[in-house]
Amino acid sequence: NAGVTQTPKFQVLKTGQSMTLQCAQDMNHEYMSWYRQDPGMGLRLIHYSVGAGITDQGEVPNGYNVSRSTTEDFPLRLLSAAPSQTSVYFCASTKYRVGQGTSEQYFGPGTRLTVT
Amino acid sequence: AQSVTQLGSHVSVSEGALVLLRCNYSSSVPPYLFWYVQYPNQGLQLLLKYTTGATLVKGINGFEAEFKKSETSFHLTKPSAHMSDAAEYFCAVYNFNKFYFGSGTKLNVKP
Repeated sequence: NAGVTQTPKFQVLKTGQSMTLQCAQDMNHEYMSWYRQDPGMGLRLIHYSVGAGITDQGEVPNGYNVSRSTTEDFPLRLLSAAPSQTSVYFCASTKYRVGQGTSEQYFGPGTRLTVT
Repeated sequence: AQSVTQLGSHVSVSEGALVLLRCNYSSSVPPYLFWYVQYPNQGLQLLLKYTTGATLVKGINGFEAEFKKSETSFHLTKPSAHMSDAAEYFCAVYNFNKFYFGSGTKLNVKP
């Protein structure tokens, strides 16, 4: 049981380049989410999904796209990287049932992204 | 939108002293509440959670927190700090399908 895995661990991009951050979980969790962590700002929700085929925006969605074609995978795409997207990105998953809420999230190890 | 406020970005205590990390949230509906810990260059680990039921919840490593609805607070405490408690702590709220995090409190434990 690997939990939540993220690749790559580190990435350097030039302004304008695109890339996809990968996230996978093997716990059959319905809810998956992406956060960015910046010093002094905690974690801010970028996008989340409550099940395959369903995604929604969080607090800071601009510049990021997501899709959820399977329960296991939730990739985050940066279409045209900007220096403001330099951050540490965390993926997380948790159980979810409509009308029953959720439980604690399980976090991946993070991806450190630098945009020059 | 929800807001989660953690008072004190840095807290310093002596080993063996009481740890108190404060968290207040804004919500018209009682949310689910969580405390997470993050060690350097790692992801977040759950310390404890409140969803329903008993308002005093116990977590791992001797930490506990009390949900006070009237004060919209969920402060984290530990009676006696240990050097290994030095880390960053995050309070989080779940409401309406979204998780919101506070800005974090770095705990320093002095020998």
